[in-house]
Amino acid sequence: DQQVKQNSPSLSVQEGRISILNCDYTNSMFDYFLWYKKYPAEGPTFLISISSIKDKNEDGRFTVFLNKSAKHLSLHIVPSQPGDSAVYFCAASPNTGFQKLVFGTGTRLLVSP
Amino acid sequence: DAMVIQNPRYQVTQFGKPVTLSCSQTLNHNVMYWYQQKSSQAPKLLFHYYDKDFNNEADTPDNFQSRRPNTSFCFLDIRSPGLGDTAMYLCATSLAQSNTEAFFGQGTRLTVV
Repeated sequence: DQQVKQNSPSLSVQEGRISILNCDYTNSMFDYFLWYKKYPAEGPTFLISISSIKDKNEDGRFTVFLNKSAKHLSLHIVPSQPGDSAVYFCAASPNTGFQKLVFGTGTRLLVSP
Repeated sequence: DAMVIQNPRYQVTQFGKPVTLSCSQTLNHNVMYWYQQKSSQAPKLLFHYYDKDFNNEADTPDNFQSRRPNTSFCFLDIRSPGLGDTAMYLCATSLAQSNTEAFFGQGTRLTVV
């Protein structure tokens, strides 16, 4: 039973355009959501997060949107750059004080020049 | 730079031969986690330590054990590795508080032959 789902295994975008990565979750106990970026042969690197009390969080070119009623979040990257090419993991955490993250299976983003 | 370091990066072990993976951190975080990521799957939490308190996930096999001798170090012991234990093993750390990110090491890719 997959509690966090990233239904698009891959996404290709041209440099300068917007990249939109989607994530759905099923567990109502999740109240903190994170996006991690992963390059080959490296560990996941934290990118941006959002608490369930918000519907949007922005950090430079990266914006995360949360729709709690739909149990859906998305990561927008504008403008996309070739260096953004990586696997992006969506993760969710219940409010326990520990980051017992439940991950999606990832979306591989390829940004072409 | 403060970081999470895993050793070795790559490990090959024989079926049934005990193996130990190492993780150290300079972040002084009080929580350390071990995740298992099999090919094309989402990282899955095995267990975590809050200071010296060990917390096992319900579906983590008994074959997997962990030790945390001090704040900085945490070890993952696989007592009798099976072929199905071939995976990337990720160590992470965080503070014991809500709405904070976990920091990951680069991972150890374990191959059981």
